[in-house]
Amino acid sequence: ETGVTQSPTHLIKTRGQQVTLRCSSQSGHNTVSWYQQALGQGPQFIFQYYREEENGRGNFPPRFSGLQFPNYSSELNVNALELDDSALYLCASSFGAGMNTEAFFGQGTRLTVV
Amino acid sequence: AQSVTQLDSQVPVFEEAPVELRCNYSSSVSVYLFWYVQYPNQGLQLLLKYLSGSTLVKGINGFEAEFNKSQTSFHLRKPSVHISDTAEYFCAVSGQGGSEKLVFGKGTKLTVNP
Repeated sequence: ETGVTQSPTHLIKTRGQQVTLRCSSQSGHNTVSWYQQALGQGPQFIFQYYREEENGRGNFPPRFSGLQFPNYSSELNVNALELDDSALYLCASSFGAGMNTEAFFGQGTRLTVV
Repeated sequence: AQSVTQLDSQVPVFEEAPVELRCNYSSSVSVYLFWYVQYPNQGLQLLLKYLSGSTLVKGINGFEAEFNKSQTSFHLRKPSVHISDTAEYFCAVSGQGGSEKLVFGKGTKLTVNP
C-alpha cells in the first residue's frame, strides 16, 4: 500500500457541471502531481504542486485548477465539464519536485461525464 | 521536451516464456527512465527506474531493463512470465531537473496465457 489515497473512487457528472477530486499524499511527502489517463492511453501530466505552489503545468485549459493545503493534500477542480474529460485521474506524491525521488500513485478517481 | 514510443500495444505470451516490452524515447536533455505496471482498476506501481550508473536495472517481480543511450531505448524484459504478470505496462521519461514531470508512453498490454 502506497499511502496515497484518492476520493471519490468513481463519480458521474453531467456536461457543464463542476467537479472536485481529492488526494491525500503519503506521510512526509511535499509534492503532488496530477495526471489524466483517458481510456486506452498513457497518463498525461496536468500540473504539479510543491509546497502549496503550482510548480509546472501541462497542456490543459485553465478550467483545470488545483490547490495544495498546508498538510500537502491536494484538490483538482474541473469547471464546465466536457464529455472528453471522462478519464481516470491519478495523483502521485513524492518528496521533492524532481523525478530522482520515487513518485507513489494513488488508485485514481474514475470520472464519467454524460 | 520528451516523448516516449512503446512499439507494441499488445503482447500475448505463454506462461513461463520470456518477454520483452519495447520502449524508445526522444529528448534533447539527459533523462531518467521508468517502467510502471497498472493492474485493472488500479493506480500505477513502479517496477524499476534508471537514474544513473549501470545501464542494466533490476526491478521488482523479476523484471529488468537496459538503458541504451545510442539507441535511445529502455526495453523491459523478464525471462519467465507468470499469469499474474498480465497487466498494462507503461514506459515513462523525465528530465533530470529539480522540477520535472513524467511523460508516459501509450502502454503495452501484456497478456500471459496458460
